[in-house]
Amino acid sequence: GESVGLHLPTLSVQEGDNSIINCAYSNSASDYFIWYKQESGKGPQFIIDIRSNMDKRQGQRVTVLLNKTVKHLSLQIAATQPGDSAVYFCAESRGGKLIFGQGTELSVKP
Amino acid sequence: GAVVSQHPSWVICKSGTSVKIECRSLDFQATTMFWYRQFPKQSLMLMATSNEGSKATYEQGVEKDKFLINHASLTLSTLTVTSAHPEDSSFYICSAPPGTGTRAEAFFGQGTRLTVV
Repeated sequence: GESVGLHLPTLSVQEGDNSIINCAYSNSASDYFIWYKQESGKGPQFIIDIRSNMDKRQGQRVTVLLNKTVKHLSLQIAATQPGDSAVYFCAESRGGKLIFGQGTELSVKP
Repeated sequence: GAVVSQHPSWVICKSGTSVKIECRSLDFQATTMFWYRQFPKQSLMLMATSNEGSKATYEQGVEKDKFLINHASLTLSTLTVTSAHPEDSSFYICSAPPGTGTRAEAFFGQGTRLTVV
């Protein structure tokens, strides 16, 4: 079936390094993609989004890249900090419904 | 705006009992709310869509008689887990759809940790 998936389930980085979290999607009809951060016991927290007519969008310390040719989405976090440790999910929006990917657990070593 | 408040944040119940989870929109009116379930170390899975004034729409494989959804007003959607069993233990989260209120992104409640013993 159609899904949004991740290449790496876990990622460990050194504090100050850049992090890259990847996501593959299969539904080319999706026109809106979002990255969420989820800390233990809490609901997802919006990080950044991108529409399908864009290939890059930047926020504060974060950049999302969208490659529609290969149906790939990535989240780049610059100068990763201990507070960035969490599980990150990509999601695609279909008629308002959010279909979530597997999730990547990011661990930042001090 | 687009603040979603979910209550309770955690609940422990005995097997066979029912539990109600509330999801309120505090600063906007929501004609639609989504309910998700998340098992440990897994992703969020959409369970159903609640629609104000009409029946909820359930995703494939979700028992509508077990997970009762009511969208009584434009600010309140509820999920009732009926005759709960230990396998229903999970993290339940509601959300307002993207574009609700003044923000583009979807907004999530704080989540409810349900433990059935």
